[in-house]
Amino acid sequence: GAVVSQHPSRVICKSGTSVKIECRSLDFQATTMFWYRQFPKKSLMLMATSNEGSKATYEQGVEKDKFLINHASLTLSTLTVTSAHPEDSSFYICSASPRRGGRTQYFGPGTRLLVL
Amino acid sequence: QQQVKQSPQSLIVQKGGISIINCAYENTAFDYFPWYQQFPGKGPALLIAIRPDVSEKKEGRFTISFNKSAKQFSLHIMDSQPGDSATYFCAASIGSGNTGKLIFGQGTTLQVKP
Repeated sequence: GAVVSQHPSRVICKSGTSVKIECRSLDFQATTMFWYRQFPKKSLMLMATSNEGSKATYEQGVEKDKFLINHASLTLSTLTVTSAHPEDSSFYICSASPRRGGRTQYFGPGTRLLVL
Repeated sequence: QQQVKQSPQSLIVQKGGISIINCAYENTAFDYFPWYQQFPGKGPALLIAIRPDVSEKKEGRFTISFNKSAKQFSLHIMDSQPGDSATYFCAASIGSGNTGKLIFGQGTTLQVKP
């Protein structure tokens, strides 16, 4: 149980285009989902927290208009990287907390984004 | 104050040995401390977690030791195996319900030699 999926697993796009990443909790309902960014050999950096049906809360320094987050249902959150540039290339990982799971976060497998 | 400091940055252990990774925090409001294991190109997987009202928690070969007064906690991997070679992250959380965000340590790359 407690499986989180992400799609796509890898994406290559041209500079200036937008990319959407989906995060789904497959076997549980997630009131809260989190989006992280991870650079090679570095730790996870929280980008934003999203709660179903409400606006995401972004961490300091994360551009809201650049990284659009939508938490459409209790099993789906999306991250859209708008007008992507090479510096947005990174490993993006989502996590989800089960509705009755307390503080536990289950992570997705990650999405590797490469912007050319 | 929101930082979690993790050490060592890298660790090499012989098969069968004990791997020990340490973390320290400043914010006494943190009330949930999980450890995650991450393989290259994959998302982190929850290993074990502890709350500050417990000094030790064991699950299989993995043990968390928690020292509330010192604001430190550590992960011990007993009988380390080559398959344990991965990056390990400690984390700390504060918040109510399931909205508590995780603050991650810098990570420790563990290599277990056969």
